[in-house]
Amino acid sequence: AQKITQTQPGMFVQEKEAVTLDCTYDTSDPSYGLFWYKQPSSGEMIFLIYQGSYDQQNATEGRYSLNFQKARKSANLVISASQLGDSAMYFCAMRENNAGNMLTFGGGTRLMVKP
Amino acid sequence: GAGVSQSPSNKVTEKGKDVELRCDPISGHTALYWYRQSLGQGLEFLIYFQGNSAPDKSGLPSDRFSAERTGGSVSTLTIQRTQQEDSAVYLCASSPGREETQYFGPGTRLLVL
Repeated sequence: AQKITQTQPGMFVQEKEAVTLDCTYDTSDPSYGLFWYKQPSSGEMIFLIYQGSYDQQNATEGRYSLNFQKARKSANLVISASQLGDSAMYFCAMRENNAGNMLTFGGGTRLMVKP
Repeated sequence: GAGVSQSPSNKVTEKGKDVELRCDPISGHTALYWYRQSLGQGLEFLIYFQGNSAPDKSGLPSDRFSAERTGGSVSTLTIQRTQQEDSAVYLCASSPGREETQYFGPGTRLLVL
C-alpha cells in the first residue's frame, strides 16, 4: 500500500483564491511527522510546513496551513490568497519516527495559478 | 546563512562510467540524506548519515551505489558502472539532528547516455 497518496495530479486555481491540496497517509507508527514541500520549475525542494502526530493544533506558516485530521489520516495543505509564484509541484511527505528518519514522499500535485 | 549545496548541477556520462556527486550540508547539521527523483519512481530515499553513527543504507538500489561522509560534513555519492536507469535528479538534504526538518539542495541532474 502507498504510504503517502496525493490524488490530484494537477490543479488550477484563480489568483487570490484559496486552494486545498490533498494528502492521505498510512502508518501504524504512533509517532510521525508530516511535511509539505514546494518544488518550482527550478527544481529545488522548498520546505513549507510541518505537523507532528502529537500536535494538538493545526500548523500554520503565513499563507500556508495544514488541515490535519488524524483519525482520517489526512494532512491537506491549504494555500490562501494564491499568487502566480505559487505555481509549482507540491509534495506531501511523512517521517515515521520509529522507522528511520528518511522521508517518504507522495507523487506530488502540480498547482497552476491563473491570472 | 548558506543552504545545502550540490555539485555538479548537471552531469552527462556514458553508460558504464563511474560518477561522483557531492553534497555540502548546512553548517552544523548533523544529519545528511540522499534522495533520487526520477519520472518513473518519484522521490526515493537512498541513504542517511547521522553524526558518527553507521549510515542507514536501506534505500540504495544496488551495490553499484555507495556514499561516504567525511569529517561529519561533506558527502559524496558514487555510482559505479552507470546504467541508463540511473538517470535522475539526485537530491541531498540536511537537518540539524534526528527528527527535524530536512532542507534540500538544488540537486544534481544526471543523464546516462
